[in-house]
Amino acid sequence: EAGVTQFPSHSVIEKGQTVTLRCDPISGHDNLYWYRRVMGKEIKFLLHFVKESKQDESGMPNNRFLAERTGGTYSTLKVQPAELEDSGVYFCASSQDRWGGYEQYFGPGTRLTVT
Amino acid sequence: GQSLEQPSEVTAVEGAIVQINCTYQTSGFYGLSWYQQHDGGAPTFLSYNALDGLEETGRFSSFLSRSDSYGYLLLQELQMKDSASYFCAVREGKAAGNKLTFGGGTRVLVKP
Repeated sequence: EAGVTQFPSHSVIEKGQTVTLRCDPISGHDNLYWYRRVMGKEIKFLLHFVKESKQDESGMPNNRFLAERTGGTYSTLKVQPAELEDSGVYFCASSQDRWGGYEQYFGPGTRLTVT
Repeated sequence: GQSLEQPSEVTAVEGAIVQINCTYQTSGFYGLSWYQQHDGGAPTFLSYNALDGLEETGRFSSFLSRSDSYGYLLLQELQMKDSASYFCAVREGKAAGNKLTFGGGTRVLVKP
């Protein structure tokens, strides 16, 4: 069974540009989460999809961030326009069952550098 | 506010035992998870405690005391491959879905 995959693995962009990160969860996992780790700090929750619906987006820092999960499969996270403080590692995770499952499967992350 | 505190770094030799403590202060609590992350890799689930007590999984064990808002991860018979960062994370409750709140991570360095 393939794990969670993320693309790209690295992205270097200039301030003001747009970047789109992609996450492919484990097949059959309804729950998809985005997290990010900035400057070696703790990993912080951004948002949670259940299928194609946003269940919780309380962690999204501002309206420059837009997440979508069309069709309830893969998800994209767009940052537009990017700022210097957006640099960090963006992780995606998926899980099978919202109530019964406590294990989240993480992808390797996308390292975003904004210069 | 919500916070999880864990030591930033621990160094030990092969074969030794390491205990990584985690104290938490969150608005809700449903369980405490531990994740391992090697440099550049994906965080990988290690263990989960919802009730007080010790959970053992091979060389790794995890403990929880809900009354003390405290848990720890015990790494036994340390191997070089255990050099990694270890994160504790709180699952705040069913109403919050499965959202995790993480600690800052403990970097474990295993020396020969």
